Amino acid sequence: GENVEQHPSTLSVQEGDSAVIKCTYSDSASNYFPWYKQELGKGPQLIIDIRSNVGEKKDQRIAVTLNKTAKHFSLHITETQPEDSAVYFCAASMSGYSSASKIIFGSGTRLSIRP
Amino acid sequence: SAVISQKPSRDICQRGTSLTIQCQVDSQVTMMFWYRQQPGQSLTLIATANQGSEATYESGFVIDKFPISRPNLTFSTLTVSNMSPEDSSIYLCSVTSGASDGELFFGEGSRLTVL
Repeated sequence: GENVEQHPSTLSVQEGDSAVIKCTYSDSASNYFPWYKQELGKGPQLIIDIRSNVGEKKDQRIAVTLNKTAKHFSLHITETQPEDSAVYFCAASMSGYSSASKIIFGSGTRLSIRP
Repeated sequence: SAVISQKPSRDICQRGTSLTIQCQVDSQVTMMFWYRQQPGQSLTLIATANQGSEATYESGFVIDKFPISRPNLTFSTLTVSNMSPEDSSIYLCSVTSGASDGELFFGEGSRLTVL
């Protein structure tokens, strides 16, 4: 089955600097890679996703890159702000399959933005 | 998108007791999911709640410990039975809609502490 590894587990960056979180996956059949942000006391919320037919996707200050050959995907946050402090989860699944049992989450990265 | 309400948001329970968590969605959805998030950990799928039939449990989770009801397309309950301190976790209700193509929407979670 699919296995998703996420690094680092914790990350502290200066406000205004960039943050990068990396994930690897094992199942070459996976083709949908979402990223979720979980703020303290809240449930995870989708912030960006990428499908395997593209290598990069941007949405304002966040971007995700995918290297399908190496089975790596990464989240990039530029110009970090205090409200970016949260736990971030990567995930991998097969697009179009609506069962959550096929969505495998990484272990999470706690991002802290230093003022 | 879907708006999900969970009750209770938090509770402190005594060992050996049971607690039922409610999940209400603002629209009809085919599939509802229950996750467990142990302190500082990732998301683990407990089961898929199916309307009109028994829930489908993931490996390591059984109906006697986590009975689930799904009386209609907008509501589900999860009961944590005969609780022990190891059951102290955040329990999250989640849904996916056909249009979201894999995106999960989460409730804010129910934080249970078992003494």
